[in-house]
Amino acid sequence: SAVISQKPSRDICQRGTSLTIQCQVDSQVTMMFWYRQQPGQSLTLIATANQGSEATYESGFVIDKFPISRPNLTFSTLTVSNMSPEDSSIYLCSVEFASSPDTQYFGPGTRLTVL
Amino acid sequence: AQTVTQSQPEMSVQEAETVTLSCTYDTSENNYYLFWYKQPPSRQMILVIRQEAYKQQNATENRFSVNFQKAAKSFSLKISDSQLGDTAMYFCAFTNAGGTSYGKLTFGQGTILTVHP
Repeated sequence: SAVISQKPSRDICQRGTSLTIQCQVDSQVTMMFWYRQQPGQSLTLIATANQGSEATYESGFVIDKFPISRPNLTFSTLTVSNMSPEDSSIYLCSVEFASSPDTQYFGPGTRLTVL
Repeated sequence: AQTVTQSQPEMSVQEAETVTLSCTYDTSENNYYLFWYKQPPSRQMILVIRQEAYKQQNATENRFSVNFQKAAKSFSLKISDSQLGDTAMYFCAFTNAGGTSYGKLTFGQGTILTVHP
């Protein structure tokens, strides 16, 4: 089965700084997504990462705050910009494979703490 | 908009026994998919089981099975022969098969399951 990795696995950052999270898959995927899981909460979709074009953001999430790149079929980054303590969350990427459309598989997540 | 509701914030079960987690959803779509994901303390989201709405047969994966009641918009998860490793947060999730919200997973609030030895 495919391996989905995220870097870093966790980080502690100062307010006002930015952090870029990487999501790497060891085989090609059709879709890539980024989710946020606030402490004790469920998951909320931030955006769909589109290969070679701008990401599609959900209501309440904007590109200036969460810029996303997807330069190829196996890699995407999410940046959390100008961080505040409210950004402390787990950030997860998920992917879909051509062999199982409509089914998302998740990376291990990145735990972010903003002081 | 689709909504997913898990009415049991916490559940517990003795090892080797059976437990059922509840999930209801609301949608006007006819073609969609339902999932149960497991999130242990390691925080990795693991796909447990998947159900396609157009299939009447309930999905099963080893000790895990679902009771899918489309008319009632109910999608419960049954775990048989519970094991200590089943201790985790369980999320019910929904996605449309197509349309403008394609790919968007909508999650329930989660149920914390504890398996006691």
